[in-house]
Amino acid sequence: GESVGLHLPTLSVQEGDNSIINCAYSNSASDYFIWYKQESGKGPQFIIDIRSNMDKRQGQRVTVLLNKTVKHLSLQIAATQPGDSAVYFCAENNYGQNFVFGPGTRLSVLP
Amino acid sequence: GAGVSQSPRYKVAKRGQDVALRCDPISGHVSLFWYQQALGQGPEFLTYFQNEAQLDKSGLPSDRFFAERPEGSVSTLKIQRTQQEDSAVYLCASSFSGGPSYNEQFFGPGTRLTVL
Repeated sequence: GESVGLHLPTLSVQEGDNSIINCAYSNSASDYFIWYKQESGKGPQFIIDIRSNMDKRQGQRVTVLLNKTVKHLSLQIAATQPGDSAVYFCAENNYGQNFVFGPGTRLSVLP
Repeated sequence: GAGVSQSPRYKVAKRGQDVALRCDPISGHVSLFWYQQALGQGPEFLTYFQNEAQLDKSGLPSDRFFAERPEGSVSTLKIQRTQQEDSAVYLCASSFSGGPSYNEQFFGPGTRLTVL
């Protein structure tokens, strides 16, 4: 389940299950969104992006859904693996401005 | 291929000291970004360069923070008279073309700054 920790919300899933990580973004004018994965001691790593003229985009084992009506973004990871354990950030961009990152969600994959 | 590199990886400074953090972007990348990431939080934008021009420095928290990219490649973030609240991981990112939108940013591993 999902719980709010002292600093980061944490999502715990069983290995092999699907994961859904949610993000509420702040700016209705944002037109480009990225999901990043950050492992301990490393910089954020690009996972998948989506533009505001789309509502769904699929990659390898990952799908991003965008609901502009409620300013909500989600990242779905299929068949979650131990290597997926990390902190996941959504980032929004208003064209010509800079990326604003969300607070992050820690994904913990249980064996 | 080489990614974005940053040095040092770890820096401990006494309060009041000046520090300089270096970023080597991916060769040929036009844009370079600096972010500050506090513990348990997402990265926060500091400043952005397109080649050697600093186009946005709206995120720099005070005039103690200064960034430069004199030849349009390597960049240095300097913090003068460090304070404890400056303790954070400083991330550098680069992207191939100009402008932050619709361009994947490649991040370095960051420099963890601890101010005692």
